[in-house]
Amino acid sequence: DGGITQSPKYLFRKEGQNVTLSCEQNLNHDAMYWYRQDPGQGLRLIYYSQIVNDFQKGDIAEGYSVSREKKESFPLTVTSAQKNPTAFYLCASYPERGQWNPMNTEAFFGQGTRLTVV
Amino acid sequence: GNSVTQMEGPVTLSEEAFLTINCTYTATGYPSLFWYVQYPGEGLQLLLKATKADDKGSNKGFEATYRKETTSFHLEKGSVQVSDSAVYFCALRIYNQGGKLIFGQGTELSVKP
Repeated sequence: DGGITQSPKYLFRKEGQNVTLSCEQNLNHDAMYWYRQDPGQGLRLIYYSQIVNDFQKGDIAEGYSVSREKKESFPLTVTSAQKNPTAFYLCASYPERGQWNPMNTEAFFGQGTRLTVV
Repeated sequence: GNSVTQMEGPVTLSEEAFLTINCTYTATGYPSLFWYVQYPGEGLQLLLKATKADDKGSNKGFEATYRKETTSFHLEKGSVQVSDSAVYFCALRIYNQGGKLIFGQGTELSVKP
């Protein structure tokens, strides 16, 4: 079955450490997105990539980095520069390269990774 | 700018009650509108969508109508069940901005037996 997989489901990090969250999709989608979810604030866009080897900052990119070496994979690194990294992180994929089409299938979301700084 | 505002939660209802969750938006372009649902500890699932004014999205007994004149997309269900307990997110996507979604803050719904 096609889908989008995030791992691990729970992650604990010590202060000052970098940590990488995995996101893999087998939907053959061009675009992938990382969102951060905090209680009462909805989801905010961290980074997105519409094509392999290219990505753009979202609204809250500071303290994060990404790579897009393969179409299927879009890992997110939470660096020690991120001041408040404890949150729920969601990855999504979308089939088009920024071309709106009302007949497209919509974004698929992974099950999320809950990161806690200890 | 583009933004989505939802009614604050939590919303607590008894089983079989009528549900309304308000959502209004501002958009500089031509948006598609969505409702997503998040069950505890899980990711988001698309519940319904509408891509143009006056469209009604519907799924699993939930409905929402795209009202351009009031810039609203309120979610309704005639008779809620305990299994509907979740967090509901209203979102929009702007033409020519790919799959980038702008979310409201979410509304938690709790349905009691």
